[in-house]
Amino acid sequence: LAKTTQPISMDSYEGQEVNITCSHNNIATNDYITWYQQFPSQGPRFIIQGYKTKVTNEVASLFIPADRKSSTLSLPRVSLSDTAVYYCLVGDPTGTASKLTFGTGTRLQVTL
Amino acid sequence: EAEVAQSPRYKITEKSQAVAFWCDPISGHATLYWYRQILGQGPELLVQFQDESVVDDSQLPKDRFSAERLKGVDSTLKIQPAELGDSAMYLCASSYDRNSGNTIYFGEGSWLTVV
Repeated sequence: LAKTTQPISMDSYEGQEVNITCSHNNIATNDYITWYQQFPSQGPRFIIQGYKTKVTNEVASLFIPADRKSSTLSLPRVSLSDTAVYYCLVGDPTGTASKLTFGTGTRLQVTL
Repeated sequence: EAEVAQSPRYKITEKSQAVAFWCDPISGHATLYWYRQILGQGPELLVQFQDESVVDDSQLPKDRFSAERLKGVDSTLKIQPAELGDSAMYLCASSYDRNSGNTIYFGEGSWLTVV
């Protein structure tokens, strides 16, 4: 199973761009990279998923280098409401969910 | 926007009692998951269903935990007897089709406190 490593916590001011990097050195050919956001006492919410290069949606961008051994979630102009835990998952979305293993995540704190 | 429904939202039970959680996935979603999340940790998969069949229950403590999805729609997760270490949030999730790699959507979770 591809293990992921991400910072335990990050701090940012409101209005700044936040980049959270995830390392996944053992990523397999069929694996995708998926990011979830979780607020306290709520279930995780899907943010973005990608396989290579760059993916962008209305919420975030995901940058994946050619070797795919890492990825960066970019949150443009964060607000206080972006304070949450962000999980990077690596796995084959067409396989069993047991391959989509959650780590401890990155706790993002946004302040004024 | 369709949601994964879970109940109860909060449950307090005494040690050795039985407790059950219910989940109604998003309509049309064939794949249903139950996760357990201990405070401060990421969710851990307990069991995965494809329609009414279990496809992965390798992390389910089968001596006390059971899960069913009899008609391939809603699902129940039961714990009997509950232990203090079972205190956690139990998350239900669903996806349209595992084989097509669709997004997994989570419910709000059911908080269990065992006293």
